[in-house]
Amino acid sequence: DADVTQTPRNRITKTGKRIMLECSQTKGHDRMYWYRQDPGLGLRLIYYSFDVKDINKGEISDGYSVSRQAQAKFSLSLESAIPNQTALYFCATSGQGDTQYFGPGTRLTVL
Amino acid sequence: GESVGLHLPTLSVQEGDNSIINCAYSNSASDYFIWYKQESGKGPQFIIDIRSNMDKRQGQRVTVLLNKTVKHLSLQIAATQPGDSAVYFCAEKDSSASKIIFGSGTRLSIRP
Repeated sequence: DADVTQTPRNRITKTGKRIMLECSQTKGHDRMYWYRQDPGLGLRLIYYSFDVKDINKGEISDGYSVSRQAQAKFSLSLESAIPNQTALYFCATSGQGDTQYFGPGTRLTVL
Repeated sequence: GESVGLHLPTLSVQEGDNSIINCAYSNSASDYFIWYKQESGKGPQFIIDIRSNMDKRQGQRVTVLLNKTVKHLSLQIAATQPGDSAVYFCAEKDSSASKIIFGSGTRLSIRP
């Protein structure tokens, strides 16, 4: 969905490096989310934010941090990447309803 | 939700036939359910949703059925087309929670 964009789309990095994944949305939604997807598994929630001053941990927040710079921007950081953080990362947004709209994803490989 | 494993359940359907994808959910308090479609290399895309006060909802070529008694959700796709090839996820949410819980997905493949 072009309304939710993620950068970069692909990234290869080394163990111990700091990585930031960025998400921007033009849907005007207050709520934003970061998910991780591993092969054969569903989406697991890392962090979510219901407005600019609100940050909440999801089910797998260890090793990650986030920043909500503006209503339209939500970034995910890996302070010191490790190989088991290799995965697909998705950003999503939602308005007052529960339906979430996803970005195209970032494929991260940690060597 | 659906069982989690290393290999996705796969459904193979002849082009033109109807597809039925099933999902079992675990939380009896869940009152909102969504189906997403994820094509290769793309993010999940919303297909259809249903609230617990309904047992059936129809969209364009898709129907979602909800059986709260047995905690079962299904997605029916009529006249399956090659473009329907994707992984389909069900998701559930209860009104007291702030998060949606996703199942592990079913891969739908279309035979010509």
